[in-house]
Amino acid sequence: GAVVSQHPSRVICKSGTSVKIECRSLDFQATTMFWYRQFPKQSLMLMATSNEGSKATYEQGVEKDKFLINHASLTLSTLTVTSAHPEDSSFYICSATGTDNTEAFFGQGTRLTVV
Amino acid sequence: AQRVTQPEKLLSVFKGAPVELKCNYSYSGSPELFWYVQYSRQRLQLLLRHISRESIKGFTADLNKGETSFHLKKPFAQEEDSAMYYCALRASGTYKYIFGTGTRLKVLA
Repeated sequence: GAVVSQHPSRVICKSGTSVKIECRSLDFQATTMFWYRQFPKQSLMLMATSNEGSKATYEQGVEKDKFLINHASLTLSTLTVTSAHPEDSSFYICSATGTDNTEAFFGQGTRLTVV
Repeated sequence: AQRVTQPEKLLSVFKGAPVELKCNYSYSGSPELFWYVQYSRQRLQLLLRHISRESIKGFTADLNKGETSFHLKKPFAQEEDSAMYYCALRASGTYKYIFGTGTRLKVLA
């Protein structure tokens, strides 16, 4: 099956700094990419949907100025957590669908810890 | 509102016993339903989708529109089935997936 790779898998940053998470589709063109946040023992909460070359669509309650999403190419989307705070600590997961949109492929996730 | 409900956080069964993971959904249109599985230390992966009507690893799921359910079943559980299972809904014509809270299945030897 298609592979989606996230990098880094773990990151620790200081409060007030920004951190960038990359999501790459390795062997297919990802027309749409999704960013999720998962709190411990809870479900995946969709943060935003992005299509290549256009602005991301954020879910209600998600601050677009805090969680910057860039989908510059058909194989790469980035999520930047700006001015991170401890409450931003979470597990962030990306997924991508190809042109046929029959299945979403998931990255392995990124564990962000803000200290 | 679109919603997916998985009432059980944890389901423990013995090896060889039947398994049923419950999923109910709320959606006014015609949804697409999926089951995703996450094995220990691995990423989420698609297990099956209702439109395929297939059996994967012995698992089946039937969409019951009357009961708005999409329960996942397997007649004889195996230890390697132990994992986290997520039911998901995708509204027709969109790309968004709505996930349930997940059920952890533990198959005991």
